[in-house]
Amino acid sequence: AQSVTQPDIHITVSEGASLELRCNYSYGATPYLFWYVQSPGQGLQLLLKYFSGDTLVQGIKGFEAEFKRSQSSFNLRKPSVHWSDAAEYFCAVATMEYGNKLVFGAGTILRVKS
Amino acid sequence: GAVVSQHPSWVICKSGTSVKIECRSLDFQATTMFWYRQFPKQSLMLMATSNEGSKATYEQGVEKDKFLINHASLTLSTLTVTSAHPEDSSFYICSVTGQTYEQYFGPGTRLTVT
Repeated sequence: AQSVTQPDIHITVSEGASLELRCNYSYGATPYLFWYVQSPGQGLQLLLKYFSGDTLVQGIKGFEAEFKRSQSSFNLRKPSVHWSDAAEYFCAVATMEYGNKLVFGAGTILRVKS
Repeated sequence: GAVVSQHPSWVICKSGTSVKIECRSLDFQATTMFWYRQFPKQSLMLMATSNEGSKATYEQGVEKDKFLINHASLTLSTLTVTSAHPEDSSFYICSVTGQTYEQYFGPGTRLTVT
């Protein structure tokens, strides 16, 4: 079965510092990969997605993610974090085998200190 | 992406009563919608796939008689929690799926059963 691992439950970074959130997936074929952000008490917002092609994808709010097939990873990055980025981030995977269902990681809570 | 609304955003009901949650796709005709529940500090758990004009497909372990899903039109799916109990208290989120596996989420409904 496919699975998604986000090894960091919490991450704290200083405002203006760079950020990297890790995501690893377990699946034989190349999945469709997503990063979502959730503010407290809110739904999820799609940050970016990867289906094929260029392995570095750009998203909204200055985020980017890089797909590395050899490492089965899809890490999310931002060069300079803003206080408004504090939220919970979810990595998700979809595969043709499982139709259009998403499998979510456990999430990483980002705290930004000033 | 698609714009999804949910109503109500917050509901309190007494144990034993039923509550209906609406999910509307405002700018997108959604043949498929998904219903998730999310416990505090946890990831999203897929409850069911709602298909327009047909019966919903429930995930393993989800009681279909307790969580009634109706997807009567391309823009509306409803989730009815029947005979609610305190353990049903949770955050319920719906989503619609785009053409390439991404999902667009509603803002969520917080259900509290007293």
